[in-house]
Amino acid sequence: QVQLVESGGGVVQPGRSLRLSCAASGFTFSSYAMHWVRQAPGKGLEWVAVISYDGSNKYYADSVKGRFTISRDNSKNTLYLQMNSLRAEDTAVYYCARGRVVVAAGPDDAFDIWGQGTMVTVSS
Amino acid sequence: QSALTQPASVSGSPGQSITISCTGTSSDVGGYNYVSWYQQHPGKAPKLMIYEVSNRPSGVPDRFSGSKSGNTASLTISGLQAEDEADYYCSSYTSSSTLYVFGTGTKVTVL
Repeated sequence: QVQLVESGGGVVQPGRSLRLSCAASGFTFSSYAMHWVRQAPGKGLEWVAVISYDGSNKYYADSVKGRFTISRDNSKNTLYLQMNSLRAEDTAVYYCARGRVVVAAGPDDAFDIWGQGTMVTVSS
Repeated sequence: QSALTQPASVSGSPGQSITISCTGTSSDVGGYNYVSWYQQHPGKAPKLMIYEVSNRPSGVPDRFSGSKSGNTASLTISGLQAEDEADYYCSSYTSSSTLYVFGTGTKVTVL
């Protein structure tokens, strides 16, 4: 079945780095844009980044621009989020999510498949 | 980019109808039909309920409906059921550098 499974979360000190992965299965991964969305404990959802289906376009939330890098390996059906210079306010559950539109020429209108999330805690 | 504004909580009895509002600006909700709604049960991942303002994905009950007027989008749940108790978030594409914004979230309680 269609599935996204995140991994790589954990506890990290402020200023350090962490890389998250999201393994996709059950659909043609290379045909969909992919997003990262995070949720701080007890808080709402926050969009983090998107990468186009072919990896040629990447966009970031202002809150992570210059510190986080989204990438994908379509041969491995895997999405990544490299997080550098981590701050306490980056503490959250990180979800990967699929953009709803296949081979989108424009922006996604929704996020239709979500992973179960991976927890990132930034603390000394 | 500020979060879209939703009421913190909405409640209703089984069988009743409730409506959740989602207020933004002309740069997001009012400017695009890329408004979506998500249901999130405690400890679970969000689930897409509505896309493009009023479209339901396959498998979502027709008790859920969406609409938009100006800068405000709405999610209506008709015939409220116990399993509808959850947090609900709206989302919109935006013209800002942060491409997508979510709402502040609404906790729905079934009395």
